[in-house]
Amino acid sequence: ETGVTQSPTHLIKTRGQQVTLRCSSQSGHNTVSWYQQALGQGPQFIFQYYREEENGRGNFPPRFSGLQFPNYSSELNVNALELDDSALYLCASSFGTVSGNTIYFGEGSWLTVV
Amino acid sequence: EDQVTQSPEALRLQEGESSSLNCSYTVSGLRGLFWYRQDPGKGPEFLFTLYSAGEEKEKERLKATLTKKESFLHITAPKPEDSATYLCAVQAPSGSRLTFGEGTQLTVNP
Repeated sequence: ETGVTQSPTHLIKTRGQQVTLRCSSQSGHNTVSWYQQALGQGPQFIFQYYREEENGRGNFPPRFSGLQFPNYSSELNVNALELDDSALYLCASSFGTVSGNTIYFGEGSWLTVV
Repeated sequence: EDQVTQSPEALRLQEGESSSLNCSYTVSGLRGLFWYRQDPGKGPEFLFTLYSAGEEKEKERLKATLTKKESFLHITAPKPEDSATYLCAVQAPSGSRLTFGEGTQLTVNP
């Protein structure tokens, strides 16, 4: 049990719709990162939030956006959903952005786009 | 660009048959190499972080080692409950972004 919780666990959306995924970080952790994991692949970094500011972004288009709230929880928003967006979306939390800090993952949100 | 390659892609072992998983990496200034275990439909479970060549860490039947170019995850006398996908990731010098490999799917038969 990592203390990182994500919701919803599963959802199905139609192509072109928008989706919001939520994450509560582990107690004491102020940094949240989001990853996309397609079936059979390793997780791919989407972006990171530290103290409510975006702090690094991977190779994902602007329709992937996020927020971090004062309590360090976070949201991932995806607009104009495409079929290829179907994946497991993982939230990871850590304390600070110093390299080497342990990074814990939640159980993920399974998104299916039809 | 950071790169991580894991081998083999899949590995089948008999219970008690020890083996090793490989993680080769290319990164500008390794800050940390992470090993995770991932069960089907679940998020990655943290196992180890290694920071410098020569470092070793152990947990139950697992032992992780690190050189300047690769890391090994040694599994001694595995049990069926060790069956999972094992992911390796390197940490970029700036921030705490992880770059993952594709994983090794381990199956341990009783």
